[in-house]
Amino acid sequence: NAGVTQTPKFQVLKTGQSMTLQCAQDMNHEYMSWYRQDPGMGLRLIHYSVGAGITDQGEVPNGYNVSRSTTEDFPLRLLSAAPSQTSVYFCASSYSGQALEKLFFGSGTQLSVL
Amino acid sequence: AQSVTQLGSHVSVSEGALVLLRCNYSSSVPPYLFWYVQYPNQGLQLLLKYTTGATLVKGINGFEAEFKKSETSFHLTKPSAHMSDAAEYFCAVSGVGEYGNKLVFGAGTILRVKS
Repeated sequence: NAGVTQTPKFQVLKTGQSMTLQCAQDMNHEYMSWYRQDPGMGLRLIHYSVGAGITDQGEVPNGYNVSRSTTEDFPLRLLSAAPSQTSVYFCASSYSGQALEKLFFGSGTQLSVL
Repeated sequence: AQSVTQLGSHVSVSEGALVLLRCNYSSSVPPYLFWYVQYPNQGLQLLLKYTTGATLVKGINGFEAEFKKSETSFHLTKPSAHMSDAAEYFCAVSGVGEYGNKLVFGAGTILRVKS
């Protein structure tokens, strides 16, 4: 079982460049989400999705776009990268229901914006 | 709104000593509470969770936590620390209904275990 797979593991961008962080899960989870992790701030929710075709904003959505065309995939797009987006990004998925019971995390993407 | 405060960004204990990591939460609905652990260069893994029922919950690797509603706390303990417990620990809160789709994390506590 692959679980949650994130690509790439590392990425360096210049200010203003665009890129897409990929996330795929093979557990048939309805719920998927993106977090960013910064030192001393824990994990902050960027966007989440409760099923194909449904997305919503989290705590820090500005500068990021998402879409959910299939149950398996939930890509995160940076349209015009800024140094403030330098961070470690985690994708996580879960069974959906009335409440989140357990999140399964990918291994992360370390992004540097110069 | 929901929030989590973890007291102490760094905790250092000797091998074999008690581990106590503190977590206080704020929630306008009955909370679901979690502890996750992150080992270096890895994603987070669930240690334990409280949803309903028994307030003392046991998790993996000998960890346990007690939900105390009157104190709005969910502290994580382990009777005897092992070198392999060195990691960063995150407390998190969610709820049901409109609060059920967002897991809010604390800032994390780095646990160091000395030999």
